[in-house]
Formats: sequence, C-alpha cells, structure tokens
Amino acid sequence: DARVTQTPRHKVTEMGQEVTMRCQPILGHNTVFWYRQTMMQGLELLAYFRNRAPLDDSGMPKDRFSAEMPDATLATLKIQPSEPRDSAVYFCASGLRGQGGNEQFFGPGTRLTVL
Amino acid sequence: SQKIEQNSEALNIQEGKTATLTCNYTNYSPAYLQWYRQDPGRGPVFLLLIRENEKEKRKERLKVTFDTTLKQSLFHITASQPADSATYLCALTSGGSYIPTFGRGTSLIVHP
Repeated sequence: DARVTQTPRHKVTEMGQEVTMRCQPILGHNTVFWYRQTMMQGLELLAYFRNRAPLDDSGMPKDRFSAEMPDATLATLKIQPSEPRDSAVYFCASGLRGQGGNEQFFGPGTRLTVL
Repeated sequence: SQKIEQNSEALNIQEGKTATLTCNYTNYSPAYLQWYRQDPGRGPVFLLLIRENEKEKRKERLKVTFDTTLKQSLFHITASQPADSATYLCALTSGGSYIPTFGRGTSLIVHP
C-alpha cells in the first residue's frame, strides 16, 4: 500500500531555530506539493514541484522558507529562523500528472510548534 | 478576488439520512473540482473529482454535482453512518493550472 511519508510527525522548537521537514512521495509520482494548514487560514499551498523542478513557490515566505527535492524520493521544507507564527501542520502531497485524475495523496503531516 | 466558500458551521445529521455539503466559488473558471475527506490528525484523502463539463459523478454512497452557472458544487452522502463523520474539503483547479486551491472545509457529524 503506497503512501506518502513525512518526518518528523511532531516538532517543538524555540523561536530562531532551524526546522527541517522531510517527505517521501509515492514512488513513481512526478508532482510534490507542500501545504500548511491552520485553523485561521485552512490549507495553503507553499510549494509545488514537478519532475523535481520547483514550479511554484509563490505562497512561501522566501526570506525564511526554502523547499527542495534533492532526489525523486525526498522533498524537504526548511524554515530558518522559525517564528511562533509558523506553528501549523505541514502536509506534503504527491501526485501523478497526466493520468487524468490529478488527485493528490497526502502524507500524515508534521505538527510544528514554535515557542 | 478568487474565493471558495464552504459552510464553517458543522453539519449535524442523523444516521441513515443524506448529508449535503456545499462548495461555492467566485472569480474562478475551474477546469475541475475535487472533494477530499480529512479526519482529525490526518492528511486529506481524495474522494471524487468532477470536471467542468460533467454535471454529476457518483461513487458508492457519494454523489457530487457541479453547476458552473451557479458556481456551486454539492456533495452528497446517502445513508450516512457515524463513520462518515469528518471534515470535507473541496478544491478547485483552474484551466491551465495543476495547482488546486482548497476551501476551508465543513465538518460533518453523523449521530447514531
């Protein structure tokens, strides 16, 4: 049963610290999305990759956030320095563009708390 | 500006009844619309996709309608069960894009 995996599942850190979240997309998927979910804003897109190339990161605060795909099995989202307002659940999702469905498969999320 | 609206109030219904959730949008020309289910502490799970040229889609007890004139999608769960209790999100994708925009979801609570 193929799944998107994310690590860590929970992260508590202090303001100013670097946070790295990791995602393993489903093997064979060619798109990866990073989302942030809060009660106030709902699910917001941070970054979108296709075939490992970043195509859209307009939703991401560039001064402190960065997203990469060093290889097809790993996507990373970094926050440096972290701030309390970054506290949220961060989801990674993968998909297979071109197969008509365009559905996304979400990971379990990383719950980030910045004190 | 573009906006997707889902009822922020929880929908409470009795087991066995049909649940109907609404997704309204403005300033979009969606190529397709998706519905996802999200349980507490978990990521959203894809349920159904309906394209702009389709009026209705069904999957088991689920039915989705899409009215591009009214700019509205309705999501129905027939013979609802307590296990259907969750938050349901709609997501729109405009033509030429592959990036969906999600609504904030509506919580459904099915009482036994």
